[in-house]
Amino acid sequence: EAQVTQNPRYLITVTGKKLTVTCSQNMNHEYMSWYRQDPGLGLRQIYYSMNVEVTDKGDVPEGYKVSRKEKRNFPLILESPSPNQTSLYFCASSLAGRVSYEQYFGPGTRLTVT
Amino acid sequence: EDKVVQSPLSLVVHEGDTVTLNCSYEVTNFRSLLWYKQEKKAPTFLFMLTSSGIEKKSGRLSSILDKKELSSILNITATQTGDSAIYLCAVGRQGAQKLVFGQGTRLTINP
Repeated sequence: EAQVTQNPRYLITVTGKKLTVTCSQNMNHEYMSWYRQDPGLGLRQIYYSMNVEVTDKGDVPEGYKVSRKEKRNFPLILESPSPNQTSLYFCASSLAGRVSYEQYFGPGTRLTVT
Repeated sequence: EDKVVQSPLSLVVHEGDTVTLNCSYEVTNFRSLLWYKQEKKAPTFLFMLTSSGIEKKSGRLSSILDKKELSSILNITATQTGDSAIYLCAVGRQGAQKLVFGQGTRLTINP
């Protein structure tokens, strides 16, 4: 089954404790992206990657890091989480030439930073 | 700066009603407009509209793109409780590597 998976699905952590949210897709998509969703703000892009070793900032990259060492994986790293990073996070992927077309979303990771 | 605005932000109707959701955009070099439905978790794709395909229909859902007014509407007829969800509008630009999302419309269908 074609899908985007994320882990963990729920995470409660404390300020300053480094964490990684994993994202993996099995559709051989070149393009992958991370979004955060906050009430009243819709989905905002954090980082994206056009292919292996090619990443770039989205609209809200501060406090986040990403890496793309393999085509299927695109982890999101929070080196020193803060309470304002409490949010619902989505990973998405698509074919590189169809970024402005359909993107496939993972199930989401609800992160709470206390 | 690219901007996508949805209205209303929230809507409550009774089962069987018809609803119209709105999306307006200010985007340089428009390429496509997409509608997603988000129930409990991940958004799921509904429609994509482009300059060459300005009207789409699937069952009780339909969508139209107005290139002149830079807007789109999503219509749902004979609503059911299963239509309760957040509906997201997103716009893509030519040559840009991302979608710009609106705030979403939370639709609640009461039995």
